[in-house]
Amino acid sequence: DTGVSQDPRHKITKRGQNVTFRCDPISEHNRLYWYRQTLGQGPEFLTYFQNEAQLEKSRLLSDRFSAERPKGSFSTLEIQRTEQGDSAMYLCASTPPKRRQSYNEQFFGPGTRLTVL
Amino acid sequence: DQQVKQNSPSLSVQEGRISILNCDYTNSMFDYFLWYKKYPAEGPTFLISISSIKDKNEDGRFTVFLNKSAKHLSLHIVPSQPGDSAVYFCAASGWSGAGSYQLTFGKGTKLSVIP
Repeated sequence: DTGVSQDPRHKITKRGQNVTFRCDPISEHNRLYWYRQTLGQGPEFLTYFQNEAQLEKSRLLSDRFSAERPKGSFSTLEIQRTEQGDSAMYLCASTPPKRRQSYNEQFFGPGTRLTVL
Repeated sequence: DQQVKQNSPSLSVQEGRISILNCDYTNSMFDYFLWYKKYPAEGPTFLISISSIKDKNEDGRFTVFLNKSAKHLSLHIVPSQPGDSAVYFCAASGWSGAGSYQLTFGKGTKLSVIP
């Protein structure tokens, strides 16, 4: 059972550029989450997918952010016109279907570290 | 407005002794609580969880206690080992309306186990 994978692991970009991150959840995990973690803080929720449907978005997710999960498998998170304040670790997590006892347990990927210069 | 608080940024414990990490929450709608362990440059790793209908859950060296009336939970690690040195995050979830069960995290406690 492979874990959640994220690509790239590190991204350095200049202010104003667009970036896209990818997350591959654990197979059969139909629910997928994106979080953002800045220095000295815990991860903060950004958005949630159940299969291909994006069902919830945090107010942290500004108009410059967009996330997709086109076939209910992998997901992408795009940030347009990056700003220095976007520098953070972007984490993806997935959970088993609700029929499983462990449906509340989220399994995280290694994260993508974004640095905006 | 922090809904999950870990008031100790750091904790040092001798190898073999007990480590106790504490967490307080304010939102009464939280009904599931989790502890994660995180090493630098890695994602959080799930450790142990507890439902609000229980007051204790044990898994090997790790035990989580939940006191609902005090809105307090704690993670006990016995015996502590040097490999336990990491940042520990407390997280809570509850029905969000959209069904996400999103996690709300504390700021973490850095545990150092001294050989």
